[in-house]
Formats: sequence, structure tokens, C-alpha cells
Amino acid sequence: GENVEQHPSTLSVQEGDSAVIKCTYSDSASNYFPWYKQELGKGPQLIIDIRSNVGEKKDQRIAVTLNKTAKHFSLHITETQPEDSAVYFCAASETSYDKVIFGPGTSLSVIP
Amino acid sequence: DGGITQSPKYLFRKEGQNVTLSCEQNLNHDAMYWYRQDPGQGLRLIYYSQIVNDFQKGDIAEGYSVSREKKESFPLTVTSAQKNPTAFYLCASSTRRAGEQYFGPGTRLTVT
Repeated sequence: GENVEQHPSTLSVQEGDSAVIKCTYSDSASNYFPWYKQELGKGPQLIIDIRSNVGEKKDQRIAVTLNKTAKHFSLHITETQPEDSAVYFCAASETSYDKVIFGPGTSLSVIP
Repeated sequence: DGGITQSPKYLFRKEGQNVTLSCEQNLNHDAMYWYRQDPGQGLRLIYYSQIVNDFQKGDIAEGYSVSREKKESFPLTVTSAQKNPTAFYLCASSTRRAGEQYFGPGTRLTVT
């Protein structure tokens, strides 16, 4: 079955700097890769997703890149702000409707 | 106001008792999911349902049961057979077309 690894597990950056979180997956059939942000005591919320027919996607300060050959994808947050502090999860699935396998999460702290 | 609700937010039970967690959505989503989250860990899939009256086991279904009698509702029962039930439980729903999973606020279950 699918296995998703995520690094680093914790990340601290200065406000205004960039943050990068990397994930790898094992199942070559996976073609949907969402990223979720979870604030303390709340449910995760989708922040961006990418499908296998696209190599990069950007939404304001957030971007995701996908390398299907190497089976890895990354989240890039530029100009970080304190409100970006949260736990971020990457995930993978064969289709967006199937069961989604989540990575273990990255706790991001943005220091003012 | 559309959304996905879980109740209660906190639940306390004695060991050996079954307990049912509620999940309701008014988003008209076909698919619903239950995840378990332990401290510092990612989301692990317990059960999911893509259509009414049908559901599939996820990766950690042992000790849990579900039903999907209505499109809007997907209750999870944590049985006394679940060896370590104390955790944060998250319910989610999605459409076939969009794929994004919408999460509820979660229920924190403590069994003593």
C-alpha cells in the first residue's frame, strides 16, 4: 500500500523567511497530492493540491512542486508570517475520491 | 451555513464501554471518512464510505464500527475491543468531482 514520508518533523523560521517541507511517496499509481494545514485543536484544512499532470502550482505565498519520476513533492511558503505557524500534512492518493494516505506532519513555527 | 459537525468536542468514558461519535454534514457530499490522530502523529484512516449503505475498512479498523444509513451522517462506534481508544477523532467528507476533504472540528475521546 501507499506510504508517505515527510521531512522535517519540526521547522522554525524567522518571519519573512521561506519554509520548505518535503514529502516522498511509494505508490507510483498515486496522482493526487493535497497539502493540509492544522491549527491547534482544529481539523485540518486544505491549502493547496496538485495532480500528476502538473509539475508546479502556486497560490499567492504558497507553491507546491511535484516530481513524479522521483516520487517526491514539496510545499514552499514564502514571506512567512506568524499566522503560518501550524502543523502541515502532505498526502497522496490514486484519485481525489479514494482513501488518502497522510504523512506524519511538520510542525512549523514562525518566529516574529 | 454549510459544513461538517462533530459532537461532542470532548468525551470521557470508562474502559469497557462502547461509545459512539457523531459526524453530520450538510454539504451534500457523497464520501465520508473517519481518521484517528495521536499526539505528534499524522492522520490514520479508520473507515470510509463513498456511498450510502456502503463502507470500507481503512488501515486501523479493528475495534471500530460504522454505519452509513443516511448521506448526511456517518457515526463511528469505538468498541471495548479497541485496545487504546484515547485519541483525537476527525471526520471528513468530500465530493467525487472536487476531491478536497472537508474536516470537522474533531472529538477528543479519553477512556480511563
